[in-house]
Amino acid sequence: DGGITQSPKYLFRKEGQNVTLSCEQNLNHDAMYWYRQDPGQGLRLIYYSQIVNDFQKGDIAEGYSVSREKKESFPLTVTSAQKNPTAFYLCASSAGMASGNTIYFGEGSWLTVV
Amino acid sequence: AQSVTQLGSHVSVSEGALVLLRCNYSSSVPPYLFWYVQYPNQGLQLLLKYTSAATLVKGINGFEAEFKKSETSFHLTKPSAHMSDAAEYFCAVISDTGRRALTFGSGTRLQVQP
Repeated sequence: DGGITQSPKYLFRKEGQNVTLSCEQNLNHDAMYWYRQDPGQGLRLIYYSQIVNDFQKGDIAEGYSVSREKKESFPLTVTSAQKNPTAFYLCASSAGMASGNTIYFGEGSWLTVV
Repeated sequence: AQSVTQLGSHVSVSEGALVLLRCNYSSSVPPYLFWYVQYPNQGLQLLLKYTSAATLVKGINGFEAEFKKSETSFHLTKPSAHMSDAAEYFCAVISDTGRRALTFGSGTRLQVQP
């Protein structure tokens, strides 16, 4: 089936560790996005990428890093610099940056600091 | 800059009653507007979107929304609530200028009472 696959679904991080969340899509979409979701705050944009080898910071990029070496993959690394990383992380993609294009979401990954 | 305000973080209706979820947007240029639904522990699913073709937009599961430029609103409605409609609903905006990524409201949790 075509779609967006995020893994792992649940991840636990110790203080001071970096962790990487995987996002893969087989929709042949050019644009990909990472959002963070906290209760009562909606979704906030971390990073987005319009095309391979290019990405831009969103509203809350501090403490996160991304790469876009392949069209289908957009991994997110949560670094030790992110002071409050416990959240639900959502990856998304769209056919392009034209504003009318629908943005599709993966099933999300839960990250908990222990 | 663009923004979305969703009035009411929690809305409770009886089964069979009208559902009305409010969304107001702010955008200096013509916006594209979206409603997404999220079930517990899952990603977001598109309900409907406004891309300037028609002001009354019909979506999945019997939902519809009307774009009112004079009121800067894009409220979501459904004539008769079903138990399966209980979920969290997000309104989002994007435009053709500036950042090409969705900006979300804080969400409205819909409860449906039997």
